Amino acid sequence: KNEVEQSPQNLTAQEGEFITINCSYSVGISALHWLQQHPGGGIVSLFMLSSGKKKHGRLIATINIQEKHSSLHITASHPRDSAVYICAARQGAQKLVFGQGTRLTINP
Amino acid sequence: GAGVSQSPRYKVAKRGQDVALRCDPISGHVSLFWYQQALGQGPEFLTYFQNEAQLDKSGLPSDRFFAERPEGSVSTLKIQRTQQEDSAVYLCASSLMGQSSSYNEQFFGPGTRLTVL
Repeated sequence: KNEVEQSPQNLTAQEGEFITINCSYSVGISALHWLQQHPGGGIVSLFMLSSGKKKHGRLIATINIQEKHSSLHITASHPRDSAVYICAARQGAQKLVFGQGTRLTINP
Repeated sequence: GAGVSQSPRYKVAKRGQDVALRCDPISGHVSLFWYQQALGQGPEFLTYFQNEAQLDKSGLPSDRFFAERPEGSVSTLKIQRTQQEDSAVYLCASSLMGQSSSYNEQFFGPGTRLTVL
């Protein structure tokens, strides 16, 4: 069993739909990261969470430390949101343990 | 300002060939990480440098993999006698602070896609 599990692995939705991607982890963490990876490999950090909830534009990330679970939500999804979304558990100050990623496709 | 850059972006190697992958971190960043990302998977940690010191190399899959950062800036990941299972995207990331800091956002390069035939 991977230390960081994401679901679903693939998600296809229509433009405008509300999107939820889930991440569960089994390791102790100092923070939980959500990252976005576009074709060609570039990875961009979206959120870093250690508790509660963060919002940036149409993106919302939540974390429940007791349940070792985090979710990434996208409201009013758009085709440009199509990408791979990766959660990563940070252990200590440096080490990231990554989930396998969720491939999101938003159709117009 | 300039982000993390990696070269080459694509590398095709014949099985048994040695390859060298380069990472130029953001200027002034203390920490540098190498990750391996197989097709359809998330990145996996390979090794970590704080300045020129390699503090963690626990993720290197075999002794064919070697990384260095001799002057604490540019880093090279070398793979000797490449094998087909080495085919992956190799990602480099850097962060401003060192190990003692509690906050370390990592900035990723575009990766080098290695294909071993």
